[in-house]
Amino acid sequence: KAGVTQTPRYLIKTRGQQVTLSCSPISGHRSVSWYQQTPGQGLQFLFEYFSETQRNKGNFPGRFSGRQFSNSRSEMNVSTLELGDSALYLCASSSDGNQPQHFGDGTRLSIL
Amino acid sequence: AQSVTQLGSHVSVSEGALVLLRCNYSSSVPPYLFWYVQYPNQGLQLLLKYTTGATLVKGINGFEAEFKKSETSFHLTKPSAHMSDAAEYFCAVSGRAGGSYIPTFGRGTSLIVHP
Repeated sequence: KAGVTQTPRYLIKTRGQQVTLSCSPISGHRSVSWYQQTPGQGLQFLFEYFSETQRNKGNFPGRFSGRQFSNSRSEMNVSTLELGDSALYLCASSSDGNQPQHFGDGTRLSIL
Repeated sequence: AQSVTQLGSHVSVSEGALVLLRCNYSSSVPPYLFWYVQYPNQGLQLLLKYTTGATLVKGINGFEAEFKKSETSFHLTKPSAHMSDAAEYFCAVSGRAGGSYIPTFGRGTSLIVHP
């Protein structure tokens, strides 16, 4: 069974640009969550999608958004990038949100 | 509301020695508790979980953890450290919110294993 796949693995952007990250969950998993990991703040929850609906949301500004497609694949978008957005963005999936999450290897985003 | 405190950002042990990584949590509802491991440039891998039932939980790679409600603790142990155990370890607590269990993670403990 394939694991959670995140693309791209690495990304370099400049301030003010926008970026879209992609996550393909484990087959059959309907819940997809996104996290931001930084040395200063640790792992912080961004949002969770379940059956194409945002079910939970963390405390991040509106520049961070996401969506989920009918095949459970998810994308997150960050607009007007800031230097502080440099981080490892992790996606995790679970069958229904009540089971332990399985993580992808992340997308490392660097803002210049 | 829920939170996790991992005592010690770094723990150093010799190969073959006991590994003890400490985790204390707070939760307003019966918690689900997890330990994850992260190797460099990788995502998090679930080591073990506690939901209900037996308080001593066995995980992968020889790790185990004990849920102690009275102490609000969920410490991770391994009898004998191996060089391959060197990694970042995260404790997490979750409680039901909006139909799902979104975990709150601790800040992580870096395990260093000396030969």
